[in-house]
Amino acid sequence: AQTVTQSQPEMSVQEAETVTLSCTYDTSESDYYLFWYKQPPSRQMILVIRQEAYKQQNATENRFSVNFQKAAKSFSLKISDSQLGDAAMYFCAYYNQGGKLIFGQGTELSVKP
Amino acid sequence: DAGVTQSPTHLIKTRGQHVTLRCSPISGHKSVSWYQQVLGQGPQFIFQYYEKEERGRGNFPDRFSARQFPNYSSELNVNALLLGDSALYLCASSLGQGWYQETQYFGPGTRLLVL
Repeated sequence: AQTVTQSQPEMSVQEAETVTLSCTYDTSESDYYLFWYKQPPSRQMILVIRQEAYKQQNATENRFSVNFQKAAKSFSLKISDSQLGDAAMYFCAYYNQGGKLIFGQGTELSVKP
Repeated sequence: DAGVTQSPTHLIKTRGQHVTLRCSPISGHKSVSWYQQVLGQGPQFIFQYYEKEERGRGNFPDRFSARQFPNYSSELNVNALLLGDSALYLCASSLGQGWYQETQYFGPGTRLLVL
C-alpha cells in the first residue's frame, strides 16, 4: 500500500520570501500522479499543482513549482514570493492506479507580514 | 461554471442516528469520490463512483454506503452514527475517463458533528 509522509507539521515564511514544503511517498507502482492541495481556513480543498510521474520535467504554476525526484520518492513544493493569501494547510497527495487519492498529514504554512 | 457543490454545509446529529450527505459534480464530470477528514488529519478515501458503479472503496465499515444517480450526483449515507464519525466530509469530482487523466476537484465539504 502506498503511503505519503509530510515531515513538517508547521512552517513559517516571511512575506515575499521563498519556502519549500517537503513530501515523501512510498510506492511500488511505476506510473502515478502526485498533487499538492491547499486547504485554507474555509476548508475548501484547492488544487495547487500536479505532476505526472512519467514526466521528468518539474511542474510549475506561476509562483508554485515542484522538485520531483522519482528515484528518491520525493515531491517538494516551492512557493516563491510568498503572499499573505498563501497561508493555509498544504497537503501532498498520491493518486494511485486504483483511482484514489492518498493524502499526507499536512503542513500548516503561516505567512508573516 | 459551477464547481462541486455539497449539501448541507453543516449538520448536527446524535449517536445512533442516520445521515445523508449530497454532492453534485462539476458539469461533464462522471466520477465522484468521497473522503472523510477528521480534524487535524489529511482526508481519508471512502468511496469512488463512476457511471453509477462503485469503482473503489476505502477501509470504512459497512455503516457507510453511497450511490450515484443518472445525473452523476451522489449521496453518502452513514448509519448508526458514532462520535468518531464527526468530521468534514469532502466530495470530489473528476472526468472519470481513466485514472491517468484524472484530477479531482473538491467541494466545500459538509461538517458533521455527532453528539
